[in-house]
Amino acid sequence: NAGVTQTPKFRVLKTGQSMTLLCAQDMNHEYMYWYRQDPGMGLRLIHYSVGEGTTAKGEVPDGYNVSRLKKQNFLLGLESAAPSQTSVYFCASSYREGVLVNTEAFFGQGTRLTVV
Amino acid sequence: EDQVTQSPEALRLQEGESSSLNCSYTVSGLRGLFWYRQDPGKGPEFLFTLYSAGEEKEKERLKATLTKKESFLHITAPKPEDSATYLCAARISGGYNKLIFGAGTRLAVHP
Repeated sequence: NAGVTQTPKFRVLKTGQSMTLLCAQDMNHEYMYWYRQDPGMGLRLIHYSVGEGTTAKGEVPDGYNVSRLKKQNFLLGLESAAPSQTSVYFCASSYREGVLVNTEAFFGQGTRLTVV
Repeated sequence: EDQVTQSPEALRLQEGESSSLNCSYTVSGLRGLFWYRQDPGKGPEFLFTLYSAGEEKEKERLKATLTKKESFLHITAPKPEDSATYLCAARISGGYNKLIFGAGTRLAVHP
């Protein structure tokens, strides 16, 4: 049982380049999230999805796009990378809130992205 | 504005020296207070969820408690392997399990 898997683990981009971060979960979770983590700050939500085919903006969505074509996958895209997007990116997933279901988020191992 | 603040930012303990980490929150409609442990280079790992004031949960040397304004993570007789960053997060109404994270407390336990 792999949980939440992110690829790649490390990447260096030049300003203006594009890339896609991949996230896969095998827990049949309805909800998926992309966060970024910067020194001295809490995890900040970029985008999220409450189900296959749906996405929505989080706290810091500018410069990012997402897609969720399959329930188990959630992709984060950077169309034109900027140095301000240098960060560690975490994907997470959880069950939707319910009376009998635990809804803690499970996180991947992270992708360390540097934009030069 | 919804806010979660953790203190201290960093804590250094000797092995066996008990202490507490603080997580204070100002949110509208708390729907759960979560504690996570994060090791260097890894993703956060779930520890506890607390739902109502007065609730307590324990796991090995860790005990989490919740009041109406803050949560504490008590560490009893810590060992070096307890060294990590501890994150707390408040879940609030938002339709998607919306979490507001604190910046974390970096704990170092020395032998």
